[in-house]
Amino acid sequence: GIQVEQSPPDLILQEGANSTLRCNFSDSVNNLQWFHQNPWGQLINLFYIPSGTKQNGRLSATTVATERYSLLYISSSQTTDSGVYFCAVEAGAGSYQLTFGKGTKLSVIP
Amino acid sequence: AAGVIQSPRHLIKEKRETATLKCYPIPRHDTVYWYQQGPGQDPQFLISFYEKMQSDKGSIPDRFSAQQFSDYHSELNMSSLELGDSALYFCASSSRQGAESYGYTFGSGTRLTVV
Repeated sequence: GIQVEQSPPDLILQEGANSTLRCNFSDSVNNLQWFHQNPWGQLINLFYIPSGTKQNGRLSATTVATERYSLLYISSSQTTDSGVYFCAVEAGAGSYQLTFGKGTKLSVIP
Repeated sequence: AAGVIQSPRHLIKEKRETATLKCYPIPRHDTVYWYQQGPGQDPQFLISFYEKMQSDKGSIPDRFSAQQFSDYHSELNMSSLELGDSALYFCASSSRQGAESYGYTFGSGTRLTVV
């Protein structure tokens, strides 16, 4: 099956700093999503981004499908950004299930 | 906007008991998915339904079964519970158009603890 690798596995930031999270995938995909799992366990959909660039406030994401990677940018980080960020892909070819990476655990300290 | 509704939010069961989790997808979404997330793990796909028919099957134990009803809500039934079944169980829904899915929305999850 498709492999999804995220880096870094852990990240500690000072409030106000910027960061870039990376997601590599092993095969072409029909769907790629970034999720934020907050400390209460909720999975919040950040971006649906199989290709191209999107921005939403302090967050933006870019997927380069031909090179099989996606990047999530967090600018001016806040303590509420803490949690685990997951990249998940849908390989297609009749399968609609999402395969998740292991996540990046982000801790933003005041 | 309506979201994916899961119930209950928390559930405590003893070993060998049975549990039933419920999921109400976003209206007009035609596909429902179930995922299991163990402590410190990423979510793992269990099973999905498209228009009330089983669509994909992942790493779902034989002790588990699921179905989608005529009103599109879905239930995950778990029997002979084991300590290792303790996890966060997510339901998600999406709308397929043509051959592509246009993004998942996850429910808040059911935290199952088996004691």
